[in-house]
Amino acid sequence: EAGVVQSPRYKIIEKKQPVAFWCNPISGHNTLYWYLQNLGQGPELLIRYENEEAVDDSQLPKDRFSAERLKGVDSTLKIQPAELGDSAVYLCASSLTTGELFFGEGSRLTVL
Amino acid sequence: GENVEQHPSTLSVQEGDSAVIKCTYSDSASNYFPWYKQELGKRPQLIIDIRSNVGEKKDQRIAVTLNKTAKHFSLHITETQPEDSAVYFCAASSTGGYNKLIFGAGTRLAVHP
Repeated sequence: EAGVVQSPRYKIIEKKQPVAFWCNPISGHNTLYWYLQNLGQGPELLIRYENEEAVDDSQLPKDRFSAERLKGVDSTLKIQPAELGDSAVYLCASSLTTGELFFGEGSRLTVL
Repeated sequence: GENVEQHPSTLSVQEGDSAVIKCTYSDSASNYFPWYKQELGKRPQLIIDIRSNVGEKKDQRIAVTLNKTAKHFSLHITETQPEDSAVYFCAASSTGGYNKLIFGAGTRLAVHP
């Protein structure tokens, strides 16, 4: 069974440029999450989807971050414009409604 | 909202020794406490979890204990092996169900041969 797939694995951009990350969850998982992981820290929730509805986006910096989950499957996370402080690993995870979270390998962003 | 504190931040043990990592949480309504292991450059993976109606759970060399009164839970690894070296994260579900997890800052465990 395929796990959570994320792309790109690595991205280097200059500040003020836009960037987008893509996530394909495990088939059948209705809940999808985007987490931010800074170096040496635990994952911090950015947004959680139940199917195509964003049920918790309280931690998402909405001035520059946006996310969507069209059709309740794949999801994209966008940053525009990126800032130096956005350098981090962006983790996508999926789960059944009350089940274990399965994480992807993450997308490591470096903003120069 | 929920806040999870984890300690120690780093832990170094000799192969064969035991390792204990402790976490405290703030929201008394939290009811699900998983532990994730993250090897360098890899994804976090669930190694064990416990729900609030259970005080202890064991899986081979790994055990987790929960004290709901004191709002703390711990991970115990016995007979440590070099492949146990990784960063371990505890988490607690905030109000909102099992899938609203708040993570601790992590413990970097090094097991020396």
